[in-house]
Amino acid sequence: KAGVTQTPRYLIKTRGQQVTLSCSPISGHRSVSWYQQTPGQGLQFLFEYFSETQRNKGNFPGRFSGRQFSNSRSEMNVSTLELGDSALYLCASSSSGTGYPGNTIYFGEGSWLTVV
Amino acid sequence: QKEVEQNSGPLSVPEGAIASLNCTYSDRVSQSFFWYRQYSGKSPELIMSIYSNGDKEDGRFTAQLNKASQYVSLLIRDSQPSDSATYLCAVTGGGADGLTFGKGTHLIIQP
Repeated sequence: KAGVTQTPRYLIKTRGQQVTLSCSPISGHRSVSWYQQTPGQGLQFLFEYFSETQRNKGNFPGRFSGRQFSNSRSEMNVSTLELGDSALYLCASSSSGTGYPGNTIYFGEGSWLTVV
Repeated sequence: QKEVEQNSGPLSVPEGAIASLNCTYSDRVSQSFFWYRQYSGKSPELIMSIYSNGDKEDGRFTAQLNKASQYVSLLIRDSQPSDSATYLCAVTGGGADGLTFGKGTHLIIQP
């Protein structure tokens, strides 16, 4: 059974540019959530999608956005990149949604974004 | 603001001993609790999940949950050098809520 797949794995962008990251969840999983990990702030929740609908959003500026397609694949976009956006961006997959008891949440390998 | 607190360590444990990792959380309505292991430069890997009070054992790992004290712990028996990693405690409440993570405990198993 294939795991959570994230692309690209590594990328370097220039301040002011925008970036799109992609995530394919485990087959049959309908929930995809995104997290940002930095050395200073740790792992922080960005947003979650379930059946193409955003269910919840963390405390991030509007430059961070996402969407989910009918096949459950998800993309997140960061516009007008800032140096502080350099981080590991992680996608998590679950069958029913993060907040439901008994629901297991699996992470992809992540996308390493460096903003210069 | 939900908070999850962990001792950042490093926690140094001799090989073969029991490693004990602790986590407290602030939100009383939290329902699901997870321990993830993260090696340097890698993504978090699920080790244990626990949803009700008491102990849950899986191989060398035991998760313990005490909702009254808002406390969850992870015990690693017969610690191996390969267990050296950062252990992240994560908590979520009911509904469409994301995971709230602690900053992690850096565990070092000394051969």
